[in-house]
Parts: sequence; C-alpha cells; structure tokens
Amino acid sequence: GQQLNQSPQSMFIQEGEDVSMNCTSSSIFNTWLWYKQEPGEGPVLLIALYKAGELTSNGRLTAQFGITRKDSFLNISASIPSDVGIYFCAGPGPSGTYKYIFGTGTRLKVLA
Amino acid sequence: DAGVIQSPRHEVTEMGQEVTLRCKPISGHNSLFWYRQTMMRGLELLIYFNNNVPIDDSGMPEDRFSAKMPNASFSTLKIQPSEPRDSAVYFCASSITNQPQHFGDGTRLSIL
Repeated sequence: GQQLNQSPQSMFIQEGEDVSMNCTSSSIFNTWLWYKQEPGEGPVLLIALYKAGELTSNGRLTAQFGITRKDSFLNISASIPSDVGIYFCAGPGPSGTYKYIFGTGTRLKVLA
Repeated sequence: DAGVIQSPRHEVTEMGQEVTLRCKPISGHNSLFWYRQTMMRGLELLIYFNNNVPIDDSGMPEDRFSAKMPNASFSTLKIQPSEPRDSAVYFCASSITNQPQHFGDGTRLSIL
C-alpha cells in the first residue's frame, strides 16, 4: 500500500536556525499537505500543494511539491520557540477513496 | 467559524467500562474521519464516513470499537468494553470530499 516516509524523525535546533524536512512517497501524488501539531492540540493545516514544482509560502514556512511528484519539502526559516511541534505530511489515498495518508511526522524542538 | 468540536477533552475510566467519544464536524463538511494517535503507532485512521455513510472501517482495531454518524453534524466512537491498551488520543477530522481535513483538538483517553 501507499506509504509516506518523513525525515528526519526528530530535530533539535537552536533558535534562529533554518529547518528543512522532507517527505517521500512510494507512489505519485497529485496533492501534498503539510500539518503542524502543537502539544495538546490537533494537527493544523499549514500549506497545501496541488501542482508538481509548486513552491508555496506561509510566513516563514515554505513548502515545495517535488518534480517527481513522489516527494515534498518543508522549510522553516529563522526558527522561533513556538515552531516546536510535530510536522506531518499527507497525501491522498488510493483513487476512489476519500482519505489522506499521513506520514510518521517530524518532531521539532527549538532551543532558545 | 467553529472548528471540529470533540468531547470530552479528557476521559479517565476503569477497564471494562464503556467509553463514548463525540464529534461535531465543521458545518458543510460531508466527510468525517476518526483517528487514534499513540507514541508507538503514530496517527492511525480508524474509520471514515462520507455523507454519513461509513466508507472504510478497516482501521478499527477490534469489534470492541464501533462508530456511528446518525446525521451530518454528529458522530460517535464507542469502545465497549475498554482496555488499558486503548489509552491514546483520539482525533476527529472533517472535510469536504477529497479536500484537506480539519482536525479537532482530540480526546485524551486513559483506561486504568
């Protein structure tokens, strides 16, 4: 079945550093989503990507839809303590289903 | 706008008791998803509905788990009888068909 692999699994960085994480799929996607989950809350949609090569920003966050359509990248510039959380990528499930497949998440901790 | 509303936020009960988790999706959304999140297994899709009809319940772990969606604005996930290994955070999410999902803040369930 479809699988999404996220890397790294976790990151400890200093405040002010840039962050890069990625997500790879075993199959081609036509949509990529990035979510952030803060402690004690549900995942919140950050960015949605709908076209190969697309580059979309949301504040200090930038996500890219890989050209191969099997990967996506999320970058955070000048990290701050409130960036802490788990970042999930997601892509649509098999054709004809209504579900999304979620990656295993990247845990980000920012040291002040 | 009101997001996905889940209740209760926290539930602590003894093994063998019946547990009922509740979800009110975003108005106008016609797809609803129940997830379970644990450290060991990450975010697991349990069951999802489209237009109040269960589409795929293959993620429901056992017959002790059941879910209903009697109308477009309400869904329940029931565990009977509950066991300690059911302890997790349970999320409900809703969307318009095939669009990105919006999550509630979850129910943290502890079975003693």
